[in-house]
Amino acid sequence: GAVVSQHPSRVICKSGTSVKIECRSLDFQATTMFWYRQFPKQSLMLMATSNEGSKATYEQGVEKDKFLINHASLTLSTLTVTSAHPEDSSFYICSAQDPGGPYNEQFFGPGTRLTVL
Amino acid sequence: SQQGEEDPQALSIQEGENATMNCSYKTSINNLQWYRQNSGRGLVHLILIRSNEREKHSGRLRVTLDTSKKSSSLLITASRAADTASYFCATMNTGFQKLVFGTGTRLLVSP
Repeated sequence: GAVVSQHPSRVICKSGTSVKIECRSLDFQATTMFWYRQFPKQSLMLMATSNEGSKATYEQGVEKDKFLINHASLTLSTLTVTSAHPEDSSFYICSAQDPGGPYNEQFFGPGTRLTVL
Repeated sequence: SQQGEEDPQALSIQEGENATMNCSYKTSINNLQWYRQNSGRGLVHLILIRSNEREKHSGRLRVTLDTSKKSSSLLITASRAADTASYFCATMNTGFQKLVFGTGTRLLVSP
């Protein structure tokens, strides 16, 4: 299957700083990528849908000014957590949608563990 | 919330036994998918079943889908310690727009 990478895999930062997470589709072009957040022992919750060349669509309750999404190319989407606080500590997972498949299948990255001190 | 629910929340079995996990969802779907997640890791796609399918097999996995009851089950036969993980169902709506994940089942297979 297609490969999606995330960088960094783990980040620890101080409260008030901003953190950027990258999501790349390595062997296909993805016009649509998705960002999920997963708290310990919970399920994945969709945060936003990232569309190449246009503004992201955020799910209800997700602050767009806090979680900045940029999808500047067909293989890269970035999520920036601005002014991070301890409650933002979570596992962030991206996925990239393969438009060539019959089911608009999503391929998931390995995740980024964010810890805000 | 549109999130589906899975039961049981946790399941503990011995190697060689079968494990069954159930998933219920709320909306009309195009397909339903099952994923595995090892602790602290990303998702591994296991199997996809379309809304017009009732049963699908892949190796030791058997998935059923009942759209009238809005439910699905995942059966892992002859379980192994390496099957220990969290398992999530996820539904793709009819507009192909986004995946909605269930609450997950934590499976522990003891040697």
